[in-house]
Amino acid sequence: SQKIEQNSEALNIQEGKTATLTCNYTNYSPAYLQWYRQDPGRGPVFLLLIRENEKEKRKERLKVTFDTTLKQSLFHITASQPADSATYLCAPFMDTGRRALTFGSGTRLQVQP
Amino acid sequence: DAGVIQSPRHEVTEMGQEVTLRCKPISGHNSLFWYRQTMMRGLELLIYFNNNVPIDDSGMPEDRFSAKMPNASFSTLKIQPSEPRDSAVYFCASKGIAGPYNEQFFGPGTRLTVL
Repeated sequence: SQKIEQNSEALNIQEGKTATLTCNYTNYSPAYLQWYRQDPGRGPVFLLLIRENEKEKRKERLKVTFDTTLKQSLFHITASQPADSATYLCAPFMDTGRRALTFGSGTRLQVQP
Repeated sequence: DAGVIQSPRHEVTEMGQEVTLRCKPISGHNSLFWYRQTMMRGLELLIYFNNNVPIDDSGMPEDRFSAKMPNASFSTLKIQPSEPRDSAVYFCASKGIAGPYNEQFFGPGTRLTVL
């Protein structure tokens, strides 16, 4: 069956370091993959999209990679700040079948000052 | 633009009661999604509409759940009768016709507690 795996344990890092979050998927061939940020008590907010033919996408301090062979996406935040503390969700989109995003359970990031 | 609007923000009801959640998508968006989020199951897609037409309702858990979109600016998700296991945060999201990112815009959610 199709599965999306994100590290369920919180990631704690020191301010200024690079945070790296992992999204692994099985039995998927996504046309693209999105990353969202969710703060407590709020809805998810879109951050980045990366397509299957792209290896890497950047936006300011954010970088996403997409390895369709490994079936993995990595999400990096460089020079992390306490304000980056949130839960980050990955969401692959399948071009067949349901044709909708499926969200991972998310990884909580805590950046310590 | 006010973004996606959901009401109520919080709902506490007793088992067996009917619950209606409401959503107003962003003006001009043609797709609308209903999600449910719990600690155990994460963010699950219940149903989505394109141009007010339900496209996929395979995520609706039971016949107790129903959703409508009578026009482009309003949708409801109804649970009748409600059960304690329906307690969750329900999100509505909308998406525009075209764009480079195809991102969904989420509302603030409705926190439902069924006693």
